[in-house]
Amino acid sequence: DAKTTQPNSMESNEEEPVHLPCNHSTISGTDYIHWYRQLPSQGPEYVIHGLTSNVNNRMASLAIAEDRKSSTLILHRATLRDAAVYYCILRNPVNTGNQFYFGTGTSLTVIP
Amino acid sequence: EAGVVQSPRYKIIEKKQPVAFWCNPISGHNTLYWYRQNLGQGPELLIRYENEEAVDDSQLPKDRFSAERLKGVDSTLKIQPAELGDSAVYLCASSQTGNADTQYFGPGTRLTVL
Repeated sequence: DAKTTQPNSMESNEEEPVHLPCNHSTISGTDYIHWYRQLPSQGPEYVIHGLTSNVNNRMASLAIAEDRKSSTLILHRATLRDAAVYYCILRNPVNTGNQFYFGTGTSLTVIP
Repeated sequence: EAGVVQSPRYKIIEKKQPVAFWCNPISGHNTLYWYRQNLGQGPELLIRYENEEAVDDSQLPKDRFSAERLKGVDSTLKIQPAELGDSAVYLCASSQTGNADTQYFGPGTRLTVL
């Protein structure tokens, strides 16, 4: 299974943009890149996902490198409620169906 | 719309005792997942159901863990007997068939085995 590498922790000031990196150098052509986040004492929640093109939604943007070996989750204006663990996950619907392999994620601290 | 409901939220038991967790997925979601999350780690899949059929239980320790989803809606995960290493958060998630990209998670049950 293709793995992802993320920094263990990051800090950001409130109301500033945050760029959360993820390396996935062994990604295959059919792997989708997913981001979930987990707030304290809650289950993970979906943030965004993509395959090749950059993606935007109301929560965040996903920038995918041209070679797809890395991606960046962008929070445009961090708020205190964005403090969470962010997971970058690869899912291959062909080989693994619905299974997500969560790593240890990046713990984001937002400083007021 | 109600989210994924799990109960209990917390459970403390002594080792060798049985324990059961209950999950009610989002209405209309045919796919149901049970995950286990150890402290400081990401969730790990234990079992996945499509309706009432367990289609992926390769990570479920079958000597002591069992799960059921009799009517294709609610599900129960059981551990018997519990061991100290079973202390973790047990998460239930659901998704619509054909839309596995978005899994909706419940708040989890935090199990402590003494």
